Amino acid sequence: EIVLTQSPATLSLSPGERATLSCRASQSVGNFLAWYQQKPGQAPRLLFFDGTSRATGIPARFSGSGSGTDFTLTISSLEPEDFAVYYCQQRNKWPLTFGGGTKVEIK
Amino acid sequence: QVHLVESGGGLVKPGGSLRLSCAASGFAFSDYYMGWIRQAPGKGLEWTSYISSGRQNTNYPDSLKGRFTISRDNAKNSLYLEMNSLRPDDTAVYYCARVRWPNSYYFDSWGQGTLVTVSS
Repeated sequence: EIVLTQSPATLSLSPGERATLSCRASQSVGNFLAWYQQKPGQAPRLLFFDGTSRATGIPARFSGSGSGTDFTLTISSLEPEDFAVYYCQQRNKWPLTFGGGTKVEIK
Repeated sequence: QVHLVESGGGLVKPGGSLRLSCAASGFAFSDYYMGWIRQAPGKGLEWTSYISSGRQNTNYPDSLKGRFTISRDNAKNSLYLEMNSLRPDDTAVYYCARVRWPNSYYFDSWGQGTLVTVSS
C-alpha cells in the first residue's frame, strides 16, 4: 500500500504567520491527493483534491501544490480558525490511505 | 445542504458484532458513491470501505476484508456497515462520508461520527 508521510508532526506558529505542511508518498500518486482539515471534536473537512483544486468554500489563503511523491499545503497567513490537524489522502491506488497528520498549533 | 447522521455505535465485547447506519439527506443519495472512515482515539484517519452508487462494487482494505461489509438502501437514503469478529483495535469513531462526484474517491461531506468501543 502507498504510505503517506506528513511532516512536521507539529507546527507551532502565531496568527498571521505562513504555514507550510508536507506530504510525501512512498510511490508516485500522480496528482491524486487530497488535503483535509480536522478541528477537535469535529469531522474532517475537504480542503483540496487532485493536489491543487480547492474544494467549495475554502478560503484563498489556502493553497495546494505538488505532484508525484511530494505535495505541500500552504496557509499564507494563519487565522485563529486555522489551528487544527491536517491530513493528506491518496486515491491513486487501493487501498485509499491517509497520512498521519500535521497539527498546527498556536505558538 | 448535505446531512449525514451515523448511529448504531456503542460498547461491544471482543468477538461481537455491530451494525452501523448512516442516514443521508440534502442530496441525491442514489447518485453518489459512499464510504466509511474510522479514527481510533487520538489517532489518524483510516479508510474502511466504499460502495458504488448502484451497490455493484464495494472495496475494503485487505486487513478488514471478510469482517466488514458495507451496504446501502437507496430507497431509504441509508448506508450501513456490518462489523463482525470485533477486536479491541476496532475501537474508533466511525464516520460515514460521501465520495466527491463523480466517483473521485475523495470524501467531500462527512457525518459527525459514531463511537464504537470494543472491550470486555
